[in-house]
Amino acid sequence: QVQLQESGPGLVRPSQTLSLTCTVSGYSINHSGHFWSWIRQHPGEGLEWIGNIYYSGITYSNPSLKSRLALSVDASQNRFSLRLASVTAADTAVYYCARGVTLFRGYLILREFDFWGQGALVRVAS
Amino acid sequence: QSALTQPASVSGSPGQSITISCTGTSTDIGSYDLVSWYQQHPGRAPKLIIYEVSERPSGVSNRFSGSKSVNTASLTISGLQADDEADYYCCSYASSTIVLFGGGTKLTVL
Repeated sequence: QVQLQESGPGLVRPSQTLSLTCTVSGYSINHSGHFWSWIRQHPGEGLEWIGNIYYSGITYSNPSLKSRLALSVDASQNRFSLRLASVTAADTAVYYCARGVTLFRGYLILREFDFWGQGALVRVAS
Repeated sequence: QSALTQPASVSGSPGQSITISCTGTSTDIGSYDLVSWYQQHPGRAPKLIIYEVSERPSGVSNRFSGSKSVNTASLTISGLQADDEADYYCCSYASSTIVLFGGGTKLTVL
């Protein structure tokens, strides 16, 4: 069974960089056919897509976050990571990692998110 | 691009059927049969219940069904049960390789 687990600091100071890692078990990140994705949920609000990364390093990001976002994959540790720079209180949210099923139609597109981590609450506060 | 539009809340009695709509545009729902739906209970991670508009993952009850017409996707839950009370989110692939979620719909089982 595929399992994902987020880890990282629960408190980040304003203007600093938020860093989270998602460790995957039960499936190799190196397999084709899947994105490794981040989604967040502000307190009491809906889901917001952050970005996807493919095992080859190809990334797709939410345009509203792209300038502050860095996604990476560490296949040797079977994990992937998110770094969000210059955070403010508006970045306080539960951050989920998820596996995305891909289709190839000349380029990679997302079909659905089939497995999710339990989520990690990150507060941005001084 | 804007988020997909869902009603904030819907309700129904046990045994009844309800439908949740998800409205997008010609550049997302209208262009791709790549709508998925997620169920989220309080304090839990979202769970996939529908993909590719109307496909159910293994283990998901056949009481959940999906459809699409032009720019609007719909999730129907038949034979409502108490455990169906949750938040439901639609999601669609959109042009320019982005992914959109709906704002979410809170289902109350009366």
